[in-house]
Amino acid sequence: ETGVTQTPRHLVMGMTNKKSLKCEQHLGHNAMYWYKQSAKKPLELMFVYSLEERVENNSVPSRFSPECPNSSHLFLHLHTLQPEDSALYLCASSQVLRTDNQPQHFGDGTRLSIL
Amino acid sequence: QKEVEQNSGPLSVPEGAIASLNCTYSDRGSQSFFWYRQYSGKSPELIMSIYSNGDKEDGRFTAQLNKASQYVSLLIRDSQPSDSATYLCAVTPYNNNDMRFGAGTRLTVKP
Repeated sequence: ETGVTQTPRHLVMGMTNKKSLKCEQHLGHNAMYWYKQSAKKPLELMFVYSLEERVENNSVPSRFSPECPNSSHLFLHLHTLQPEDSALYLCASSQVLRTDNQPQHFGDGTRLSIL
Repeated sequence: QKEVEQNSGPLSVPEGAIASLNCTYSDRGSQSFFWYRQYSGKSPELIMSIYSNGDKEDGRFTAQLNKASQYVSLLIRDSQPSDSATYLCAVTPYNNNDMRFGAGTRLTVKP
């Protein structure tokens, strides 16, 4: 079983829909992350959670709402998205929050398309 | 200035050649440096990490770090078509909780 699992792999939604992305990690890590990856752009960090507490929100619009019910699960709730939100959304985890010497492990991502 | 800069490529090398991927970063206090490989439609996969100046070798991969020049590179010896992917450079700034990624360099190894 892969370490970090994301569902769904692909999602197409209209601008008025509400949907959620799910991430689950089986590595016993304490920190989890949401990234947005757009074509030819660096990975953009969206949210950081440590032990279920949000520790970073990088000026992400409120139409993205994260939820971390426990250290193994992370959700990204989507509402009233815009076409420019179409991208690959990646979840990652690391053993502890401070990333010195602690690489992040990524899921395969959810490819999101907004119509 | 971008925090982490990489040439977007594409970089094309023949099979068996050495591929050289470069990365520069702006935060002089950065502590940890990582190279990730990302195949099309897949997640980034960690292939090398380096924390001190000099070279670090792992199989066909060598990471090189020069903190004075704020430069980190990845060499791939005996390149194979299966090495064709986008390579992401990631840097952990000093006293920061997250990694900063470059936009990636796309490498194509031609048979």
